[in-house]
Amino acid sequence: AQSVTQLDSHVSVSEGTPVLLRCNYSSSYSPSLFWYVQHPNKGLQLLLKYTSAATLVKGINGFEAEFKKSETSFHLTKPSAHMSDAAEYFCVVSGGYQKVTFGTGTKLQVIP
Amino acid sequence: NAGVMQNPRHLVRRRGQEARLRCSPMKGHSHVYWYRQLPEEGLKFMVYLQKENIIDESGMPKERFSAEFPKEGPSILRIQQVVRGDSAAYFCASSPSSGGSDTQYFGPGTRLTVL
Repeated sequence: AQSVTQLDSHVSVSEGTPVLLRCNYSSSYSPSLFWYVQHPNKGLQLLLKYTSAATLVKGINGFEAEFKKSETSFHLTKPSAHMSDAAEYFCVVSGGYQKVTFGTGTKLQVIP
Repeated sequence: NAGVMQNPRHLVRRRGQEARLRCSPMKGHSHVYWYRQLPEEGLKFMVYLQKENIIDESGMPKERFSAEFPKEGPSILRIQQVVRGDSAAYFCASSPSSGGSDTQYFGPGTRLTVL
């Protein structure tokens, strides 16, 4: 069994300040973990993924995430928010043969 | 390399009609997944298919919903006798294999509205 918990449904930051979107997971397997971004009325775009290589994963648009097994966390960060980062972000865990479980999403608001 | 294609992008049906959603995976991908996103919710897994086979349909409602991925042509998600509760965005994803670390690439979605 696997599950994903995104701890915040909404996060609001000022432009130019750091972003932290939190994700905790549980999995019976050695999981693969992903972050996807969804802009309004758009599909999902992959930001980054962890697949048991380096624990600090760098993605597109300046985002990165750190896999912490002891904390079962995979938080998404960015040093400086941009207006174009306003979107919904989904943490995803994949185990076994590709059955994935999505978190409920975190809506990021960026204030000018 | 074209991404995952879904059509139509928007579909309006009246209660009791049928809805057919199509998904063409990325070139070289033989694994297709369908997800449903209800308003203000995350994506929920519905079904996983390979060519001509349904591998996992544990997320599919037991009635009115069916999916196929024929040898030739796109994958089809079919909803019979639609009801208002079927209104949602339906996303298709594809991957090259069934490995757990493989990325699933998502299409733009079909937004179904049932009147």
